[in-house]
Amino acid sequence: DTAVSQTPKYLVTQMGNDKSIKCEQNLGHDTMYWYKQDSKKFLKIMFSYNNKELIINETVPNRFSPKSPDKAHLNLHINSLELGDSAVYFCASSPPQGYNEQFFGPGTRLTVL
Amino acid sequence: AQSVTQLGSHVSVSEGALVLLRCNYSSSVPPYLFWYVQYPNQGLQLLLKYTTGATLVKGINGFEAEFKKSETSFHLTKPSAHMSDAAEYFCAVSDTGGFKTIFGAGTRLFVKA
Repeated sequence: DTAVSQTPKYLVTQMGNDKSIKCEQNLGHDTMYWYKQDSKKFLKIMFSYNNKELIINETVPNRFSPKSPDKAHLNLHINSLELGDSAVYFCASSPPQGYNEQFFGPGTRLTVL
Repeated sequence: AQSVTQLGSHVSVSEGALVLLRCNYSSSVPPYLFWYVQYPNQGLQLLLKYTTGATLVKGINGFEAEFKKSETSFHLTKPSAHMSDAAEYFCAVSDTGGFKTIFGAGTRLFVKA
């Protein structure tokens, strides 16, 4: 069983389109995250959710809208895609508290043309 | 604010040689520190972590790291490199709540035969 899964794995789209990435975890964790990894492998937190509530929004443009329908899911919708949105997006989950490790999904490679 | 600096974006070692990946952190509170490894086209997975207690922590695949508060360092070592160790390595620091983890820029480890 995959602990943290993301769909799709690859996403190629045109500028201006709207797309969604889905994330599901079966670990029973309360906390879920979205990260963006750029072409230089730099990993930056975008959002943190705890029990379906938004905790952290790291100055992400409002074209990005996360949604957590339940504790096991955290989806990411992106409006009006731009070239600079091209990256690998990772979902992760963890129990609460900072001493706990995060479990990462396999990533979604988004390419905006 | 917390931050992480990884010295050296690329490190190259020969198979069987010592691996040393450097990480320095900044934190106003006692830190929770992590090393994650990322293999090509995969998500991150935990190598080891320091929370409290023993400052020398052992992880998977023969890696270990030592927390040195006086030097604000958490360097990762492995006595003998293996070809399978070739990957991207990330040092990270977490806040107490666990909702915001800051990752270093990553160090790409190359292992030569």
